[in-house]
Amino acid sequence: EVQLLESGGDLVQPGGSLRLSCAASGFTFSTYAMTWVRQAPGKGLEWVSAISRSGGTTYYADSVRGRFTISRDNSKNTLYLHMISLRAEDTAVYFCAKKKADDYFFDYWGQGTLVTVSS
Amino acid sequence: DIVMTQSPDSLAVSLGERATINCKSSQSLLYRSTNKNSLAWYRQKPGQPPKLLIYWASTRESGVPDRFSGSGSGTDFTLSISSLQAEDVAVYYCQQYYSTPWTFGQGTKVEIK
Repeated sequence: EVQLLESGGDLVQPGGSLRLSCAASGFTFSTYAMTWVRQAPGKGLEWVSAISRSGGTTYYADSVRGRFTISRDNSKNTLYLHMISLRAEDTAVYFCAKKKADDYFFDYWGQGTLVTVSS
Repeated sequence: DIVMTQSPDSLAVSLGERATINCKSSQSLLYRSTNKNSLAWYRQKPGQPPKLLIYWASTRESGVPDRFSGSGSGTDFTLSISSLQAEDVAVYYCQQYYSTPWTFGQGTKVEIK
C-alpha cells in the first residue's frame, strides 16, 4: 500500500525557515517524480514544486522560486521542502504527492502538514 | 501560465441525479502528436487530501466508480457524475499538466439538494 507521510509543519514567524519531510513507502520511491502542493485555509490547491526521479531536475512556482528548495534522498525514501524567508501568504497545508508514471498528474497524496506563518 | 476556470463555483444536486462540472483552460491542452489532452480531475472530501479521478481528460483512475466520467478536448472539459451519491459531497478540481507551472481550477463544491 502506497503511503506518504508529511511532517515538519509548525508555527513560524515571518522571515523564518522550515523544512518539511515526506516519508514514502509501498512503492519504489526512486522511480517516480514527486511534488508538493499546498492549500491555504479554505482555499483551493496550488502547485508548489516538483522533482524528477533522480533529483536532477526541479520545478518551482513563481511564488516560491528562490525561497523554497525541493530535494529528495532516495536511500531514505524521503522527499523534502526547505522553505526560507517565509511570508504570511505561505500559510497552508502542504501535501506531498506522487506523480503517476504517465505525466505530471498525481495518483497518491499524503494527509498534509500545516505551516502557519505568523508573528 | 495556463489559467483554469471552473464553473459553477458550487452546485446542489439531488441524490441519484446527474452533476456536471465544467473546466475551461486559457490555452489548448491537446497534444496533437498523441491526440491526448493533459487534463486531470480530483475530488477532495472535507479534511482529506485530493483523490485522482480522471486523467488524460477521460481515463478513469483504477478503482474509481464508473458513475464518474470525463469529456472534452482543447480548452473545454467536463466532469460528470451520472448518479450522485452521498459520498460524492466534495470539492472537485481540474488540473492541467500540459506545461509548467501545473495549475488547478478554483474548485467546484458539490452538495446534496
